[in-house]
Amino acid sequence: EDKVVQSPLSLVVHEGDTVTLNCSYEVTNFRSLLWYKQEKKAPTFLFMLTSSGIEKKSGRLSSILDKKELFSILNITATQTGDSAVYLCAVPHSGTSGTYKYIFGTGTRLKVLA
Amino acid sequence: NAGVTQTPKFQVLKTGQSMTLQCAQDMNHNSMYWYRQDPGMGLRLIYYSASEGTTDKGEVPNGYNVSRLNKREFSLRLESAAPSQTSVYFCASRGSDTQYFGPGTRLTVL
Repeated sequence: EDKVVQSPLSLVVHEGDTVTLNCSYEVTNFRSLLWYKQEKKAPTFLFMLTSSGIEKKSGRLSSILDKKELFSILNITATQTGDSAVYLCAVPHSGTSGTYKYIFGTGTRLKVLA
Repeated sequence: NAGVTQTPKFQVLKTGQSMTLQCAQDMNHNSMYWYRQDPGMGLRLIYYSASEGTTDKGEVPNGYNVSRLNKREFSLRLESAAPSQTSVYFCASRGSDTQYFGPGTRLTVL
C-alpha cells in the first residue's frame, strides 16, 4: 500500500533554533515529492523535489530528496514565530483517468516560541 | 487571477440536510480534487476529476457525490449530512505537478 509518513508529529522550539522535518514514502512509480506549509487556512506550496541530492532553497527553508532511501527532509534555520504551522508532505501517485492522486502525510506541527 | 475559490466559507447543517460545496479555478487546469481535513488525520481525498466529464473516487467517497460541470467548476454534494462529515473541506486543482488549494469550507453537522 502506498504511504507517506512524516516525523515528528509535533515539535516545539525557540526562536533562532534550526529544525529538521522528515518525510518518508513508499509510492510506486515515484515522480515527485511536494512540501506545503499550512497555517490556519489552506496549504501553500513550498517546494517540489524530483531529483536526488539537489537542494531546493527559499530563504531560511531548504529541502532535499533521497530517492535511494525514500525520504526527504525540510530544514528551517533561524526559526521565527511566523514559521509556526503544520508542514505537509505529499507524493503524487498515478490514479485512473490518466491523472494523479496525491498521498499526504499527516503533517508535522511546528510551534516556535518567542 | 483568483486561483481556486470555494463557497461557502462556513456552513452549519442539521443531520439529514443536503448541500453543495462549490469550487472554481481560473488557471485552466484539467485536474481538480476534493479533500477533507480532520484533526490528526491529514488531508484525505474524497473525489477527483482528471478532466471535464470524468470523476473518480478517492479514499473516503462514501456519503458524497461530485459534478465536474465544466473545466472551471467542480462541486461536492452531501445528500444527507451526518455528524461524521463535520470537517474542513478543501478543493484543489493541479498544474505543473503542483496542487493549488482553495481557502476551504468549514462544515459543521449537528
